Amino acid sequence: GAGVSQSPSNKVTEKGKDVELRCDPISGHTALYWYRQSLGQGLEFLIYFQGNSAPDKSGLPSDRFSAERTGGSVSTLTIQRTQQEDSAVYLCASSSRPRNTEAFFGQGTRLTVV
Amino acid sequence: GIQVEQSPPDLILQEGANSTLRCNFSDSVNNLQWFHQNPWGQLINLFYIPSGTKQNGRLSATTVATERYSLLYISSSQTTDSGVYFCAWGGNTGGFKTIFGAGTRLFVKA
Repeated sequence: GAGVSQSPSNKVTEKGKDVELRCDPISGHTALYWYRQSLGQGLEFLIYFQGNSAPDKSGLPSDRFSAERTGGSVSTLTIQRTQQEDSAVYLCASSSRPRNTEAFFGQGTRLTVV
Repeated sequence: GIQVEQSPPDLILQEGANSTLRCNFSDSVNNLQWFHQNPWGQLINLFYIPSGTKQNGRLSATTVATERYSLLYISSSQTTDSGVYFCAWGGNTGGFKTIFGAGTRLFVKA
């Protein structure tokens, strides 16, 4: 696609429910990143995918968070048993290579846990 | 861990004024980007600048990799420049992830 696409744009869920957030990277981009931004805060790294390599999961805050990337393209971030502190904007980015390349961000998914 | 520090944290300008935003990083850099986050939360790419100087209209950026800092210059500021400016570092250490600074929050008054 022309840019990084994320869906949904907004998601309101009840505490304890599971949610899935989707990211469709720029066509041909092999590197994909998920970040989280709490209100008024900076960007917190969550997970990184590069091609068929094992993902870098070092930023996932708990085992309730997981992510997949199918076919080296679309990625899904899943949050199980959501908590109020999970409320944030979840941002996805992609780049054409893992290093020395420019990353482009989607518009984000605003998650609100009530 | 790798530190990416931005200054100042907050900045208020009168429309038309110039400003310099700074990004210091603690490790050698392969990838340095500047982003503008607009009031709707969208991250807009400003510069990809691991070294050297680039200019785009009223904005320019310089990265001095050997001294581990980057500067973003905004000239003749406009109200539409308001928002948060982030620098993002990528290097050979710390894995492949890009590490963001905490940002500089800019407000330009009319």
